Amino acid sequence: AQTVTQSQPEMSVQEAETVTLSCTYDTSESDYYLFWYKQPPSRQMILVIRQEAYKQQNATENRFSVNFQKAAKSFSLKISDSQLGDAAMYFCAYRSAKGSQGNLIFGKGTKLSVKP
Amino acid sequence: EAGVVQSPRYKIIEKKQPVAFWCNPISGHNTLYWYLQNLGQGPELLIRYENEEAVDDSQLPKDRFSAERLKGVDSTLKIQPAELGDSAVYLCASSLRTGNTDTQYFGPGTRLTVL
Repeated sequence: AQTVTQSQPEMSVQEAETVTLSCTYDTSESDYYLFWYKQPPSRQMILVIRQEAYKQQNATENRFSVNFQKAAKSFSLKISDSQLGDAAMYFCAYRSAKGSQGNLIFGKGTKLSVKP
Repeated sequence: EAGVVQSPRYKIIEKKQPVAFWCNPISGHNTLYWYLQNLGQGPELLIRYENEEAVDDSQLPKDRFSAERLKGVDSTLKIQPAELGDSAVYLCASSLRTGNTDTQYFGPGTRLTVL
């Protein structure tokens, strides 16, 4: 069974600075997808970024980028120029590419605080 | 485009009472998920629908939980009877599944408190 581990329960960053959230996963599959979701206190889970395992190029979305290391099974999220609105819980998630699978497997999350 | 809609946002009930949650997915999305999120944890899948068929309900406690997705659009998740341990957030997500991949979009969730 696949597992996702987020080893940082809480992180803090100064506004306008850069922060990196860690995520590791365990799988025997070679084809899969990885996601970062943001969950503000309002509870709405918002997709931040998506990475296909077959792509070597790291995904980027504006201030958000990932460092995908397939061999190390590592998938970290870098937030540049942090803003107050980035404060939230961040969840790393794994999705198998197998046709019979479909659900996301989540880590326990990292609570990010942004200091003004 | 409207996102995933869930209601109610909050529900407080006494143990042994029934409760139901409703989800309206994004228009055109063929796949619908119900997740359970306990405090301080990531969501865990309860059931997945593709159109009107439940294709993965292995994590659904069938003795007290039931779900339906009539006509392959809206879905209802029911608990009867509720127990104290059911207090959690119930999230609905939907996606347009093409081949073996999709991206899931979540609703705001229903926070259930069982007293």
